[in-house]
Amino acid sequence: DAGVTQSPTHLIKTRGQQVTLRCSPKSGHDTVSWYQQALGQGPQFIFQYYEEEERQRGNFPDRFSGHQFPNYSSELNVNALLLGDSALYLCASSFATGFDSVTYNYGYTFGSGTRLTVV
Amino acid sequence: GENVGLHLPTLSVQEGDNSIINCAYSNSASDYFIWYKQESGKGPQFIIDIRSNMDKRQGQRVTVLLNKTVKHLSLQIAATQPGDSAVYFCAEGFSGGYQKVTFGIGTKLQVIP
Repeated sequence: DAGVTQSPTHLIKTRGQQVTLRCSPKSGHDTVSWYQQALGQGPQFIFQYYEEEERQRGNFPDRFSGHQFPNYSSELNVNALLLGDSALYLCASSFATGFDSVTYNYGYTFGSGTRLTVV
Repeated sequence: GENVGLHLPTLSVQEGDNSIINCAYSNSASDYFIWYKQESGKGPQFIIDIRSNMDKRQGQRVTVLLNKTVKHLSLQIAATQPGDSAVYFCAEGFSGGYQKVTFGIGTKLQVIP
């Protein structure tokens, strides 16, 4: 059973460019959340997608946008990249309802992330 | 690989000893709490969680303690092994909301062989 998969694993972009990161949720999960993790810090919540809509957003500018597809996979788009956008971008998938048999938090499972470097 | 533990508080423990990692959470409305382990170049890996109506929960070699009065969470690792070396994060969530989890400051655990 594949877990959460993210692509690409590493990416280098130039300031001002745009980037798209991709996430495939764990089998059976229907909700995708995105996090940004700067070096030496904890992950910060960007937004969450369910039923192809953004239903919750953290304190991130509109340059950060996303999409969820009918197969529950998701994309994170960042426009007009800044040096400060360099970070590890993590995707987490979960069930919308019902607790996972192992965890209390809807089976929240993280991928290994995409390391974005902006130069 | 990347150093996720840069500038984080560090706990050094001798192999075979028990480790205790502490965390303070901020939101009184949070009703579940999770511990994650993160190794270099990897995403956070679930270790154990606990609901707010509990004060202790045990897993394999790990125990989480919750003190809601002082908003404090701890993770105890028994017989610490070199493979336990990583950055550990506590996180809090609210089951009445949308499954967002908020991470605390991580602690880097170094196991000395």
